[in-house]
Amino acid sequence: GAGVSQSPRYKVAKRGQDVALRCDPISGHVSLFWYQQALGQGPEFLTYFQNEAQLDKSGLPSDRFFAERPEGSVSTLKIQRTQQEDSAVYLCASSHGQGDVETQYFGPGTRLLVL
Amino acid sequence: KNEVEQSPQNLTAQEGEFITINCSYSVGISALHWLQQHPGGGIVSLFMLSSGKKKHGRLIATINIQEKHSSLHITASHPRDSAVYICALGDYGGSQGNLIFGKGTKLSVKP
Repeated sequence: GAGVSQSPRYKVAKRGQDVALRCDPISGHVSLFWYQQALGQGPEFLTYFQNEAQLDKSGLPSDRFFAERPEGSVSTLKIQRTQQEDSAVYLCASSHGQGDVETQYFGPGTRLLVL
Repeated sequence: KNEVEQSPQNLTAQEGEFITINCSYSVGISALHWLQQHPGGGIVSLFMLSSGKKKHGRLIATINIQEKHSSLHITASHPRDSAVYICALGDYGGSQGNLIFGKGTKLSVKP
């Protein structure tokens, strides 16, 4: 079946713009994760959903970052008033159950460049 | 603080060589993941293991929970193995399901 998809794949934003990044997880997957990956670094955790509940948002770097998954499937990561340091690849992953003790399936990522 | 350390950071090998990538960590876990990331960003999960050894094709992953150490081995390496290999920790104290990632080992296999 289809894997995790993300859109857009690439986004260029002017500093101060708001952006919205979309993640379509594998159908039926309970857990959904957002990660941020800076150039040359490993991914870093942003936030985690179990169905529609956001169980952990401790990785969100500031209150400009907001994520939602209102119906327990598609998720959106919104960044308000983008800054240059927000430039990174934003990865979404999903898993059938609790994601740290089973395989997480990753999307291709959205590469965000803030000018 | 770095809970996960990988070595080496960069590795160049000739086709056919046996490759080892190491991962050491400092927190108690019960699951460790090895992931492969190709240029362009796509991440593929290779293994999740909590003890002993797992093998898939030319890839072998081992873990020693007591020593907090894991290794990923590639036998008969091939240029298509060129990628970044990332070790990630799961099921650590206080985790809600997310992973802690190492910085990755960039592998380049020359023909």
